[in-house]
Amino acid sequence: DTGVSQDPRHKITKRGQNVTFRCDPISEHNRLYWYRQTLGQGPEFLTYFQNEAQLEKSRLLSDRFSAERPKGSFSTLEIQRTEQGDSAMYLCASSLEDGELFFGEGSRLTVL
Amino acid sequence: QKEVEQNSGPLSVPEGAIASLNCTYSDRGSQSFFWYRQYSGKSPELIMFIYSNGDKEDGRFTAQLNKASQYVSLLIRDSQPSDSATYLCAVLPDSWGKLQFGAGTQVVVTP
Repeated sequence: DTGVSQDPRHKITKRGQNVTFRCDPISEHNRLYWYRQTLGQGPEFLTYFQNEAQLEKSRLLSDRFSAERPKGSFSTLEIQRTEQGDSAMYLCASSLEDGELFFGEGSRLTVL
Repeated sequence: QKEVEQNSGPLSVPEGAIASLNCTYSDRGSQSFFWYRQYSGKSPELIMFIYSNGDKEDGRFTAQLNKASQYVSLLIRDSQPSDSATYLCAVLPDSWGKLQFGAGTQVVVTP
């Protein structure tokens, strides 16, 4: 059981740099989600894929954030021109059924 | 108004007692409701889901749903120190996709 894996687990970057996170979902799961979580808050929805189609995305993904899921397998989340407010845990999850999400361990981003 | 609201806690519960967690949601058309548990420094994990009005029991956990009042709750019976965690209420407004989370209620079970 490989679970959902995310890479890197930690990323420290300087303001203005671009960062990319990768997520490998559970192999038979066709749904993939990206969330962002800050201390004391619940996960905040970023985007959702069913297979390779990006079906829904937060307004956050309209500018500096972009996500892809080529061929319906792994996914990447890119943040361009990072800001200090982007510092958070970025969580990827996959599922077979809506709402029943399996989360990865997350990628923690620190923007200096 | 947040779409999913929970009391942040902490909710302090003596070992062996019942912990009662509450959640309200704003979208009256929501169909599916979930409870996730998140240990400190870890990712959320699904513990229960409920779709119909009434109660649903799974071991020491009972989820309760009242769609008319837009209210969902989680009871933890015979609370154990290992139940100390943040409990996240999540709502699926449509039949698919965007799961909306509340901010979570921190539960502390004291021996």
